[in-house]
Amino acid sequence: GAVVSQHPSWVICKSGTSVKIECRSLDFQATTMFWYRQFPKQSLMLMATSNEGSKATYEQGVEKDKFLINHASLTLSTLTVTSAHPEDSSFYICSANGPGSEHNEQFFGPGTRLTVL
Amino acid sequence: QQQVKQSPQSLIVQKGGISIINCAYENTAFDYFPWYQQFPGKGPALLIAIRPDVSEKKEGRFTISFNKSAKQFSLHIMDSQPGDSATYFCAATFDGTASKLTFGTGTRLQVTL
Repeated sequence: GAVVSQHPSWVICKSGTSVKIECRSLDFQATTMFWYRQFPKQSLMLMATSNEGSKATYEQGVEKDKFLINHASLTLSTLTVTSAHPEDSSFYICSANGPGSEHNEQFFGPGTRLTVL
Repeated sequence: QQQVKQSPQSLIVQKGGISIINCAYENTAFDYFPWYQQFPGKGPALLIAIRPDVSEKKEGRFTISFNKSAKQFSLHIMDSQPGDSATYFCAATFDGTASKLTFGTGTRLQVTL
């Protein structure tokens, strides 16, 4: 099946630093990737949609200068949280939708737990 | 119009029982309805999905019932097992590539011995 990986699985950083999270499709090419954040006991909130080779489309209320997304290849998308603050602490999950997906199925990564001190 | 409402928020079922989770949507343009299972600290995994041209889909112990006129769909887990204890999310989207998922609020299922 289609596998999506994320790295790192968890990260702790100091307030004001930047953190990069990688999302990779391991056995398929992902034309579109999605980035979500999830707070404890809540649903997934879509942050942005990224298409390979073009700028990401951000959801309303998501600061694009704070959450930088790069989708440089068909197997890799990165999310950089710039100048992180404690309120950015969350569970970040990516998903990928490849050209061979049936019925628009999205394959989710295992998530990255970000803790900002 | 983009909302998907999910209930109950939490559910406790005895082992061997039937777990039922309900969702309702507003946007009649939605045409693909997946259910995801998420364990703590993990990403969601697709369980089963349905399109509105059928009223029911069954895969193993998991069944989706779909009522197009009522704009409702539900997940039934037969013979619930402790290993089914997880959070379940319904979702809806438009068929086709790169369409965004609209998620329900989630149901925390606990299956007791």
